[in-house]
Amino acid sequence: EAGVTQSPTHLIKTRGQQATLRCSPISGHTSVYWYQQALGLGLQFLLWYDEGEERNRGNFPPRFSGRQFPNYSSELNVNALELEDSALYLCASSLVGTQKNIQYFGAGTRLSVL
Amino acid sequence: GNSVTQMEGPVTLSEEAFLTINCTYTATGYPSLFWYVQYPGEGLQLLLKATKADDKGSNKGFEATYRKETTSFHLEKGSVQVSDSAVYFCALYGGATNKLIFGTGTLLAVQP
Repeated sequence: EAGVTQSPTHLIKTRGQQATLRCSPISGHTSVYWYQQALGLGLQFLLWYDEGEERNRGNFPPRFSGRQFPNYSSELNVNALELEDSALYLCASSLVGTQKNIQYFGAGTRLSVL
Repeated sequence: GNSVTQMEGPVTLSEEAFLTINCTYTATGYPSLFWYVQYPGEGLQLLLKATKADDKGSNKGFEATYRKETTSFHLEKGSVQVSDSAVYFCALYGGATNKLIFGTGTLLAVQP
């Protein structure tokens, strides 16, 4: 069974540009989560999508946004990129129901903003 | 609010040494607790979990016991290998917000 897949593996952008990161959850999982792992800041929760709706949002500015598609895959968009957005962005997915709280992670997209 | 505190790293051990990585938490209620591991250049892998007090999670020789009285979930392994070198994250499940709250991570380096 395929795990959580993310693309691209690496992404290089310049300040002010937009970045789009993609995530495909484990088959059967309907919840997708995004986390940012920035140097020195640890792992921070960004967004949670379930059944196509944004359910919860971390303490990030509105230029971080995303969506979940009918097939449960997800996109994270970062507008007006700033140097401090350079980080590893991790996507996770989980089942609903009693196993809802086990999140399985992808390998991440490393975003570098120059 | 909910939070997780992990011991500072790096932790450097010789092969076959005993490992303990301390983790304590602050939370209301009875959150589920997790240890994740991140190998160099990779994402997070679930190592083990515990969902209620006195539960012991175990996997690949690693163990952690959910201690409600001391609000702790320390990770232990009796004999580490070079291949265990990685960053270990303690985390708790944030309930209705459905987000994981992570500790800062502990880098483990095992030398042959």
